[in-house]
Amino acid sequence: DTGVSQNPRHKITKRGQNVTFRCDPISEHNRLYWYRQTLGQGPEFLTYFQNEAQLEKSRLLSDRFSAERPKGSFSTLEIQRTEQGDSAMYLCASSANRDNEQFFGPGTRLTVL
Amino acid sequence: KNEVEQSPQNLTAQEGEFITINCSYSVGISALHWLQQHPGGGIVSLFMLSSGKKKHGRLIATINIQEKHSSLHITASHPRDSAVYICAVRSTGTDKLIFGTGTRLQVFP
Repeated sequence: DTGVSQNPRHKITKRGQNVTFRCDPISEHNRLYWYRQTLGQGPEFLTYFQNEAQLEKSRLLSDRFSAERPKGSFSTLEIQRTEQGDSAMYLCASSANRDNEQFFGPGTRLTVL
Repeated sequence: KNEVEQSPQNLTAQEGEFITINCSYSVGISALHWLQQHPGGGIVSLFMLSSGKKKHGRLIATINIQEKHSSLHITASHPRDSAVYICAVRSTGTDKLIFGTGTRLQVFP
């Protein structure tokens, strides 16, 4: 499968715990995007990378959130001290360049108890 | 007011009907996307357009830049078209997408 993959697909955690999600983009796609989607809403932009450089972060990305793309390939999104309001679907997408369509992964559904 | 508005929010149709979903936006854009999301979360890109009209099978997307409006049409709708259809725009000067809240379509046999 050469599409965008995300792991894990589901994560249940207790409030206050740290969680980390991984996204593997389509090979050679230099742009990688993270979005968050809550029930009944459209996705919201969190951050994006061009290669290993993080070029933009949303105000939604509080200091508890951090994203990395150390070698310009896979990316991780970490949430520290999770809160119930962090419960959402976290989506990753990649594109070959700015003017190309984005290909989405299946998402990681986070539930914070 | 959201920067991207879709209508209707929910749509029910009989198989074979012609479907139209509308998207209006209030920001300057460099591209508009139509996406399809099935239950379980997977999102598929249907169209990316910056002007005019695109067609793929039974799907047609149009955009009017001056009126800041786009429509997605489905001809001869089928139950497998049942999904949430999301409009998203890439605003000028940025790479991020701004999404509408989606239109939930149900097509009954």
